[in-house]
Amino acid sequence: DAGVIQSPRHEVTEMGQEVTLRCKPISGHNSLFWYRQTMMRGLELLIYFNNNVPIDDSGMPEDRFSAKMPNASFSTLKIQPSEPRDSAVYFCATLRTGGNEKLFFGSGTQLSVL
Amino acid sequence: EDQVTQSPEALRLQEGESSSLNCSYTVSGLRGLFWYRQDPGKGPEFLFTLYSAGEEKEKERLKATLTKKESFLHITAPKPEDSATYLCAGTLGGQNFVFGPGTRLSVLP
Repeated sequence: DAGVIQSPRHEVTEMGQEVTLRCKPISGHNSLFWYRQTMMRGLELLIYFNNNVPIDDSGMPEDRFSAKMPNASFSTLKIQPSEPRDSAVYFCATLRTGGNEKLFFGSGTQLSVL
Repeated sequence: EDQVTQSPEALRLQEGESSSLNCSYTVSGLRGLFWYRQDPGKGPEFLFTLYSAGEEKEKERLKATLTKKESFLHITAPKPEDSATYLCAGTLGGQNFVFGPGTRLSVLP
């Protein structure tokens, strides 16, 4: 299994531009999470999906952020318009449930908004 | 408010010098306590899950323990390759994982 796959690995953009981060979850994992990590705030949950349905988006900072999961094998996190304070590492993670629960993380997208 | 704290914030050890990292939580009705390792530029990597007070799990030089209010990650005779940030997280069950800020461990040769 290739694990959770995120793209791009690095994204540099200018303030005001639209940014789209992508995630391919592990096959068979029915829960998908988007996290943001910064030095100041650590790992913060932005939103999670269960069976492709958004369950809790209370961590999404504001309306500039949106996430979709059109099918079980793909999810996107979009920021429009982007701002310098959005600069962070964004992680996608998926959950294997049943017995020993484990969150599996992707390698993350390093976003820099200039 | 559900919260997970970790101490120390950073720890520097000599190779072979054993120590412990602490994770304290105020998650009411904690269902599981997780430990992860994160290397620079990578996503967190799963180490252990603990479900009940008194439970212990081991992997190589690492041993995780759980009480009713905190968890410890014991590192025995660490090596430089154990240098990383160690994160703990608590969950009430379902999919709500609350992560602590992490402990940055440096093991010097």
